[in-house]
Parts: sequence; structure tokens; C-alpha cells
Amino acid sequence: NAGVTQTPKFRVLKTGQSMTLLCAQDMNHEYMYWYRQDPGMGLRLIHYSVGEGTTAKGEVPDGYNVSRLKKQNFLLGLESAAPSQTSVYFCASSYWGEETQYFGPGTRLLVL
Amino acid sequence: DAKTTQPTSMDCAEGRAANLPCNHSTISGNEYVYWYRQIHSQGPQYIIHGLKNNETNEMASLIITEDRKSSTLILPHATLRDTAVYYCIVRLLIPSNSGYALNFGKGTSLLVTP
Repeated sequence: NAGVTQTPKFRVLKTGQSMTLLCAQDMNHEYMYWYRQDPGMGLRLIHYSVGEGTTAKGEVPDGYNVSRLKKQNFLLGLESAAPSQTSVYFCASSYWGEETQYFGPGTRLLVL
Repeated sequence: DAKTTQPTSMDCAEGRAANLPCNHSTISGNEYVYWYRQIHSQGPQYIIHGLKNNETNEMASLIITEDRKSSTLILPHATLRDTAVYYCIVRLLIPSNSGYALNFGKGTSLLVTP
């Protein structure tokens, strides 16, 4: 039981490049979340999903897109990366919305 | 949505109890108090949660005042590995759907010293 895993662990992009961050969970959770964390700040919700095929915007969705084609996977896409998107990205999942959220180890993204 | 107030930082000697306070004076009756921690460079880790009764698990105890306006997380025998940022969170309901986000705030940086 691996829990929540994230790929890649670290990535460097140039401004304007695109990339996809992958989150996978093996706990059969319905809900999945993408957060970002900037230095000295708490986590902020980017997008979330309440089930396969559904997504919704969080607090800071601009510049990101997401997809939940399979229940166990939640993808976060950056179509045209900007330096302001330099951050650590955490994925989380929970069985239902009111249940405890379990977090992955994070993806460090540097946009030059 | 209820806000939380925590001290910015605290110290604790190894082996002693660490008592981390949190104020949530605007909490509503159906909101839970959650505690998470984040060890440097790792993802947040769930510790404990409660509604109004005190709770205990293998990691910690949670004491919630009778009026629910504040709570204390207790690590009974702190170790160096407990050095982390501790977040007190009142569960936030996302109004546009039935999902729930965790409003992490800035937390308390706990330093456990030898």
C-alpha cells in the first residue's frame, strides 16, 4: 500500500514550457486535491475532484488545468509555465470530503 | 469560515510534553478541529481531529475547551523527530460543491531540543 505518490519529485522548466504532474493513490479514495506551497506560507488549494470525471476550482486555479480520467489518478497541467508557478506541489486524497486527507511527498517545480 | 490563531514558534525539550495552543473563537457547531504537521520538505501528515470531546491516539492528545473556542495539541513525550510545523485547521467547506479544503494558515514551528 503506497498511499499517495507523486511524479516527478523535482522538475526545472523554462518560461512557456508545459508539463503534467501526476498524482496516484491506491486507497480507493473518492476525493483528490492539488495544493501549492510557497516559502513561509501554508498550503493553498489549486483544484480538486470529488470523483472520477469531475473537477472543480480551488482558491488559486489560474494557470492550471486538471483531469481525473481514472479514480486513482489526478493530473495537474501547466500549459505555459511562468516563474510565479515556482512552488512545491502537494497532492492529497480522502475517502470522502469530510474524511482525513492524506498527502503525497510533493513535487518541487522551478520555472526559470 | 472559522479562522485559527497559533503562536508562530515554540520550543520544547526532548522527552517533555509539548503543548501547542490554537484559538478558533469563531468556530461553528458542526466544524471539526484538525491538526496536521509538516516535517521539513515532506508532505503534511495527519495527527488527530475532534469535534468537542477530547481525543487521543498513538501520536497525540487533543484537548478542546468546553466552549470550543480553543484547543491544545499535546505531544506527551516529544522527540527530535517531532520538530515540524504544526497546523491547527478548522475544516473549511467549499461552497460550490461538496468537497472540503483544508485551510492551513502558517502554523506553529515547533523545535524540539536535546
